[in-house]
Amino acid sequence: SQQGEEDPQALSIQEGENATMNCSYKTSINNLQWYRQNSGRGLVHLILIRSNEREKHSGRLRVTLDTSKKSSSLLITASRAADTASYFCATEDMRFGAGTRLTVKP
Amino acid sequence: EAGVAQSPRYKIIEKRQSVAFWCNPISGHATLYWYQQILGQGPKLLIQFQNNGVVDDSQLPKDRFSAERLKGVDSTLKIQPAKLEDSAVYLCASSLSEGNSPLHFGNGTRLTVT
Repeated sequence: SQQGEEDPQALSIQEGENATMNCSYKTSINNLQWYRQNSGRGLVHLILIRSNEREKHSGRLRVTLDTSKKSSSLLITASRAADTASYFCATEDMRFGAGTRLTVKP
Repeated sequence: EAGVAQSPRYKIIEKRQSVAFWCNPISGHATLYWYQQILGQGPKLLIQFQNNGVVDDSQLPKDRFSAERLKGVDSTLKIQPAKLEDSAVYLCASSLSEGNSPLHFGNGTRLTVT
């Protein structure tokens, strides 16, 4: 089994800026998922990227996957205060790391 | 569609007492997960069910934690006896299938052990 490990642990930016967070994993995967968690709530699924995909978009979100480096990145463009949350990645075994805590200042 | 339902929302107990959490997944979801999330940490997988069978319980402290999923639908997670370090949010999630479909989470049960 394995889990994704996110970095940085914390990220603070101004509204309108872009936010990039990374995920690393250890063994081969079939897919990788990104989730968001607002304080006091359950996680919400953002995007799933399969191992044969290099990039995927959903609104202001862009996810890339580099299977040779066993890493993925999540880019949030034109961030908003409402994007303030913790972000997690997970591979098929659905184990999560410590997450990236994103703070977007108005 | 209705989301994943969990109850209770909050629970306060004293150490050495017992507690149980209930989860009703989204209809038709075969896979169900229980996670423990301690404040400031990521969710830790406790147990995964596929229908009513256990797929992974390697991180479940079996001396005090137990879980069941009757008829492959609802699930309960029990702690007996509770310790102070069990204070956490217990999250339930379900998905259509194992490993390749999104998880849908409930809002969790916040447990405080005093």
